[in-house]
Amino acid sequence: DTGVSQNPRHKITKRGQNVTFRCDPISEHNRLYWYRQTLGQGPEFLTYFQNEAQLEKSRLLSDRFSAERPKGSFSTLEIQRTEQGDSAMYLCASSLVWSSGNTIYFGEGSWLTVV
Amino acid sequence: KNEVEQSPQNLTAQEGEFITINCSYSVGISALHWLQQHPGGGIVSLFMLSSGKKKHGRLIATINIQEKHSSLHITASHPRDSAVYICGSVGGSYIPTFGRGTSLIVHP
Repeated sequence: DTGVSQNPRHKITKRGQNVTFRCDPISEHNRLYWYRQTLGQGPEFLTYFQNEAQLEKSRLLSDRFSAERPKGSFSTLEIQRTEQGDSAMYLCASSLVWSSGNTIYFGEGSWLTVV
Repeated sequence: KNEVEQSPQNLTAQEGEFITINCSYSVGISALHWLQQHPGGGIVSLFMLSSGKKKHGRLIATINIQEKHSSLHITASHPRDSAVYICGSVGGSYIPTFGRGTSLIVHP
């Protein structure tokens, strides 16, 4: 399978715990995006990387959230001290560097439930 | 700020009907995406276009850059087309901004 891979697919955690999600993009893609999606809403931008550089972060990304892409390949999204409001699906997507526009490929998402 | 609005929010159709979903965006863009999301979350990219029209099977996407508007058409709709369709625009920041989606149910 050469698509975007995310894991875990589902995570239930207690409030206050830390969680980490991993994304493996399509191998030649140098752009990697993280989005969050809640029920009835479209994906909301969180952050993106070009290679290993994190180029932009949304104001949605509080200081409890951190994302890394250490070698420009896979990425991790960590949420510290989870709150119930963090319950959502976290989507990873990848693409080639934007020129006139490139198709963006999404992973299956990682569902987070904070209880 | 780039904002994306879709209409309708919900759509119900009978099998075989012609379906149109609309998308409006607020700033000049370099590209526009149409995505399909099935229950359970998986998202598939249907189209990426920056001008004119694209067709793939029974799906047609059009864009009018001057009016900042795009449409997704489904001809001869089928129950397997039931999904959420999401429009996303790409502005100068090259970060796709997505709408809330249109939930489509096609009854047999």
